[in-house]
Amino acid sequence: KAGVTQTPRYLIKTRGQQVTLSCSPISGHRSVSWYQQTPGQGLQFLFEYFSETQRNKGNFPGRFSGRQFSNSRSEMNVSTLELGDSALYLCASSPIADGGYEQYFGPGTRLTVT
Amino acid sequence: AQTVTQSQPEMSVQEAETVTLSCTYDTSESDYYLFWYKQPPSRQMILVIRQEAYKQQNATENRFSVNFQKAAKSFSLKISDSQLGDAAMYFCASERSQGNLIFGKGTKLSVKP
Repeated sequence: KAGVTQTPRYLIKTRGQQVTLSCSPISGHRSVSWYQQTPGQGLQFLFEYFSETQRNKGNFPGRFSGRQFSNSRSEMNVSTLELGDSALYLCASSPIADGGYEQYFGPGTRLTVT
Repeated sequence: AQTVTQSQPEMSVQEAETVTLSCTYDTSESDYYLFWYKQPPSRQMILVIRQEAYKQQNATENRFSVNFQKAAKSFSLKISDSQLGDAAMYFCASERSQGNLIFGKGTKLSVKP
């Protein structure tokens, strides 16, 4: 099976702009989670989607949003970008939403905000 | 709220030797899971080992094993016969049932030839 894919891999944006990141989970996986990774804060959970519904949300401002489509592909959007949004954004998928299952991570999207 | 603490930002081990990475966690949940994930440089994060909290037996996966001390809320990872390919960031994580992963800050492991 193909792994989790994320597009684009690298992105440079200017403060105030918005950005959309995409994640395609492993075929058959219905749960998709997003994480932000920075040197200072480490890995922080953004949100999780299962069957097109947001199940959990981390402690991020409303500028961060996401959605999941019927084919389980997911997008996350960040509006009004700030310098502090520069990070590696990781997507992970798992077969179902119950805890304890291995999450399969994508390679990430490296977002740089200037 | 769940928290995960990794007190060793960096560790180093000689090839073929054994190294232990420390992790402590805090949770009020009775049903939870613990994981160690590995993130090699510029490569994808992969699962190393997982432990169900209700199981007393320590999990093992080939050269990787854990020392799970539930009362002390400690979950250390032991890597035996270290190999150059083990060099990576290692993240300890906890997850409650129906929850999401909570990661520690990570430990950067270097393996010396």
